[in-house]
Amino acid sequence: QVQLVESGGGVVQPGGSLRLSCAASGFTFNSNAMHWVRQAPGKGLEWVAYIRYDGSNKSYGDSVKGRFTISRDDSKNTVYLHLNNLKTEDTAVYFCVKDGAAICDCFDSWGQGTLVTVSS
Amino acid sequence: DIQMTQSPSSLSAYVGDRVTITCRASQTVNTKLNWYQQKPGKAPKLLIYAASILHSGVPSRFSGSGSGTDFTLTISSLQPEDFATYYCQQSYSFSTYTFGQGTKLEIK
Repeated sequence: QVQLVESGGGVVQPGGSLRLSCAASGFTFNSNAMHWVRQAPGKGLEWVAYIRYDGSNKSYGDSVKGRFTISRDDSKNTVYLHLNNLKTEDTAVYFCVKDGAAICDCFDSWGQGTLVTVSS
Repeated sequence: DIQMTQSPSSLSAYVGDRVTITCRASQTVNTKLNWYQQKPGKAPKLLIYAASILHSGVPSRFSGSGSGTDFTLTISSLQPEDFATYYCQQSYSFSTYTFGQGTKLEIK
């Protein structure tokens, strides 16, 4: 079955950086687009970033554009999210999400999330 | 950007009730509309995609309908495990995906 395991969250000061990782298994990783979605404490879901199955296309939400970078390493079945110039409003649980492109334009599997706290 | 608005924001109901949640898009999304369920402290789960197609393993008491800008999620007979927060999401605007603000369904 599909498994997505995030890691790399923690506490970081405003202006700092962090790298999140998501180890994937249970499906053909190099055939699937991947996303990151976040959820601030007590708030709703916000799509953050997308990477095409071959890494040739990436896109970002307006609130993180220019600060966050998504990448993937198919040899490790891992997708990354590099977070730079962090702001307090970036505090959230970050979910790694598998694109359901084989069946739908949807998010068909989610990891358990990793918490990023931006605080001085 | 396409904005998604859900109503109501919260809802109280009894086990066995029929419940409907509405999602409205600021412009057409055709049928590129998905629904997710999230329980406290857990990751969201896909319920319905393409407005009306039930994801594998989702109970048949869940159904979705709509196209264009107006969509509904219906639970025909609420079960205790259905009390959760529900989100709609559009996937029409390629590479920019938007969620509704969520509808929290609570036990009355």
